[in-house]
Amino acid sequence: QKEVEQNSGPLSVPEGAIASLNCTYSDRVSQSFFWYRQYSGKSPELIMSIYSNGDKEDGRFTAQLNKASQYVSLLIRDSQPSDSATYLCAVNHQAGTALIFGKGTTLSVSS
Amino acid sequence: DADVTQTPRNRITKTGKRIMLECSQTKGHDRMYWYRQDPGLGLRLIYYSFDVKDINKGEISDGYSVSRQAQAKFSLSLESAIPNQTALYFCATSDSRLNTGELFFGEGSRLTVL
Repeated sequence: QKEVEQNSGPLSVPEGAIASLNCTYSDRVSQSFFWYRQYSGKSPELIMSIYSNGDKEDGRFTAQLNKASQYVSLLIRDSQPSDSATYLCAVNHQAGTALIFGKGTTLSVSS
Repeated sequence: DADVTQTPRNRITKTGKRIMLECSQTKGHDRMYWYRQDPGLGLRLIYYSFDVKDINKGEISDGYSVSRQAQAKFSLSLESAIPNQTALYFCATSDSRLNTGELFFGEGSRLTVL
């Protein structure tokens, strides 16, 4: 059973701080990695994708991938109350398969 | 209008009833998926289809069936609903030509089985 693990939280940070969200996966040959944000009662929306080792930055968001450690993280700089949501890590284990999701980490940013 | 449309958005039914959730998309994507979401359990894959003639079971397919009526339509059926199938169901699509695996979600169908 291929697994994607996340700390469920809640992770609480003050406004302006850096929020760090972590995800590990079980299948070493996994190829594609995604972070989705989901507000309560809404559908998930993609915020970052990463395919190769290293960092990928997009505005206040940075995704980090370490395939040797089977670890992917999401950093949110200058956190805002509007960032309060559940963040879902998703992994595509190999081409031609469906995404497998972690259980999500709930982030709360206090003003 | 949403690119991925799910109907109904909310449904309350009784144990033993047959229920169908429908999904249609205007994105022109070839791949479609059904996930369910329960509090604290993330998204779990029920079934997926990579083209009209392709149907694959996901991690929790027991108690469900699907039909890919056309490239744009993918329906999920519960032949005899039970209370533990109460959940939020999401349809999603992806485009194999993009080769990224990115999913695009519908707005969800909330199902309550009494």
